[in-house]
Amino acid sequence: DADVTQTPRNRITKTGKRIMLECSQTKGHDRMYWYRQDPGLGLRLIYYSFDVKDINKGEISDGYSVSRQAQAKFSLSLESAIPNQTALYFCATSDSSGGAWKTQYFGPGTRLLVL
Amino acid sequence: GQQLNQSPQSMFIQEGEDVSMNCTSSSIFNTWLWYKQDPGEGPVLLIALYKAGELTSNGRLTAQFGITRKDSFLNISASIPSDVGIYFCAGQPLNTGNQFYFGTGTSLTVIP
Repeated sequence: DADVTQTPRNRITKTGKRIMLECSQTKGHDRMYWYRQDPGLGLRLIYYSFDVKDINKGEISDGYSVSRQAQAKFSLSLESAIPNQTALYFCATSDSSGGAWKTQYFGPGTRLLVL
Repeated sequence: GQQLNQSPQSMFIQEGEDVSMNCTSSSIFNTWLWYKQDPGEGPVLLIALYKAGELTSNGRLTAQFGITRKDSFLNISASIPSDVGIYFCAGQPLNTGNQFYFGTGTSLTVIP
């Protein structure tokens, strides 16, 4: 089983709709992240969370919100989707304890199309 | 945000050739990571570098943390078809609380 899972893997929605992307991890990591990937732009950080009670805005948080329901779950919401939010979205985790805390592990991605 | 310049943007090489790509930043970084992304998948960590001057290998892959702390490179020796994919560098600037910034990627095509 994958350590970091994302649901759904693909989603088509219409402008103005609210949608939620979910991420779960079995790695026991305390830190979780949401990124979006656009062609030619690499990955950009949307939000990150260092533990259940900690939420921080990343580089491009406008139009998004997140919820850290448990240490293992971190969801990303688009309250009112717009076409330029069409992208590939990745969840990632990292562990603040031990020597490997600086590396991040990615889920398989959610491909979102907003019409 | 931080600017990471990754080059080249794309490469087309013959199987068996060596590959080199690099990443430069506008500020000092304390960590460099190199990832590979296959189509339809998330990035997978290849090599992590934590100290200036550090040279680390993972099979046919070798990466180095530049002495200026503003650059890193990745070499792939004797390329094979399964090396095809997009390679990303990622770096963590000083005092950013574990935020990483990603390069725009190098798309590698290996011609058998």
